[in-house]
Amino acid sequence: GAVVSQHPSWVICKSGTSVKIECRSLDFQATTMFWYRQFPKQSLMLMATSNEGSKATYEQGVEKDKFLINHASLTLSTLTVTSAHPEDSSFYICSARTLQRELTEQFFGPGTRLTVL
Amino acid sequence: AQSVTQLGSHVSVSEGALVLLRCNYSSSVPPYLFWYVQYPNQGLQLLLKYTTGATLVKGINGFEAEFKKSETSFHLTKPSAHMSDAAEYFCAVTNSGTYKYIFGTGTRLKVLA
Repeated sequence: GAVVSQHPSWVICKSGTSVKIECRSLDFQATTMFWYRQFPKQSLMLMATSNEGSKATYEQGVEKDKFLINHASLTLSTLTVTSAHPEDSSFYICSARTLQRELTEQFFGPGTRLTVL
Repeated sequence: AQSVTQLGSHVSVSEGALVLLRCNYSSSVPPYLFWYVQYPNQGLQLLLKYTTGATLVKGINGFEAEFKKSETSFHLTKPSAHMSDAAEYFCAVTNSGTYKYIFGTGTRLKVLA
């Protein structure tokens, strides 16, 4: 149980276009979802936290107008990278937390690799 | 504030040898500690976690870790390394206030035949 999926698993786009990444909790209700960014051979950096039905809380230094997060339902959160540029190329990982399990535990998706040309 | 330090960005061990990956944390509140494994181009898989209770925690694939408050450490061990253990390992800390994870910089484990 507690499976999180991401779609797409990889995406290549042209500079200036927008890309949407979906994060779904398949067998539980995700009251909170987290979005992380991971640069090659580096650690995960938390970008934002989103609670279902409310606005996302962004970490310091993360541009909220560039990285749009929507958590419209208890099973789906989306991250939209707007006007993408090559420096946005990265591995994006989402995770989810649920009231149905221990609150301290996050369940991670498989990640989405974004390459901006 | 909380932080995590993983000593050794790269660790190499021979197959069958002891695996020891180090994690030290800093926290002004009771920490919850996790070890995750990441294979190339994949997400994170939970190996084990410490929240409360027994300080020696056993996880999957033969890994275990011991929470030592006096040393602010949560080192990951495995008695005998397998080739399949080669991966990136992350230590993470959180607390019951924010539930945000702070990750260490990761340790890449290489297993030599």
